[in-house]
Amino acid sequence: GDSVTQMEGPVTLSEEAFLTINCTYTATGYPSLFWYVQYPGEGLQLLLKATKADDKGSNKGFEATYRKETTSFHLEKGSVQVSDSAVYFCALSARMDMGRRALTFGSGTRLQVQP
Amino acid sequence: NAGVTQTPKFRVLKTGQSMTLLCAQDMNHEYMYWYRQDPGMGLRLIHYSVGEGTTAKGEVPDGYNVSRLKKQNFLLGLESAAPSQTSVYFCASSYSISGGVSNEQFFGPGTRLTVL
Repeated sequence: GDSVTQMEGPVTLSEEAFLTINCTYTATGYPSLFWYVQYPGEGLQLLLKATKADDKGSNKGFEATYRKETTSFHLEKGSVQVSDSAVYFCALSARMDMGRRALTFGSGTRLQVQP
Repeated sequence: NAGVTQTPKFRVLKTGQSMTLLCAQDMNHEYMYWYRQDPGMGLRLIHYSVGEGTTAKGEVPDGYNVSRLKKQNFLLGLESAAPSQTSVYFCASSYSISGGVSNEQFFGPGTRLTVL
């Protein structure tokens, strides 16, 4: 079935460092890809998404490019801040029964940014 | 708009007890979902609903039941709680899915359930 694999954390960085969180996927067809972020004590929020190959999603300085040839959707940010400390989830829209789709999530990567 | 709300926020149960988690959304979304979040496993889909009066099983449905009597509400029931159901439960909602492209899901703040 469809699945998402992301790098294990925690990832610990100093403020203003460059961030990469790797995400690869296995899927039939052409799923949409997402990054969600979960701040401490809160639910998940959509960070960015891409719906087709070579699309780049971007938001709040974060970027990710849908790479069909490598089945990847790596999250990047050029300069992280302490406020970016959170858990980041990669997800894809997996095919369910009757052609419906639901999100399949990776296991999450915790990012800790130190001042 | 309140978005997606969940009650209760915390609950402790003894093995064998029952309870119902309530999810409400005020965005007129067709789709609603229940997930559980366990350490190192991300979120796993329990049940979902594509509209009022309809429900379907997700990845891990055993031990849970759901109902969607009103469009804005989605209830998750545990008839006989087990320690393996200790988890954080999240409800989410989205617009109807069309063309095979999933729309953004909006999540509630979660319910932390402990089963002793």
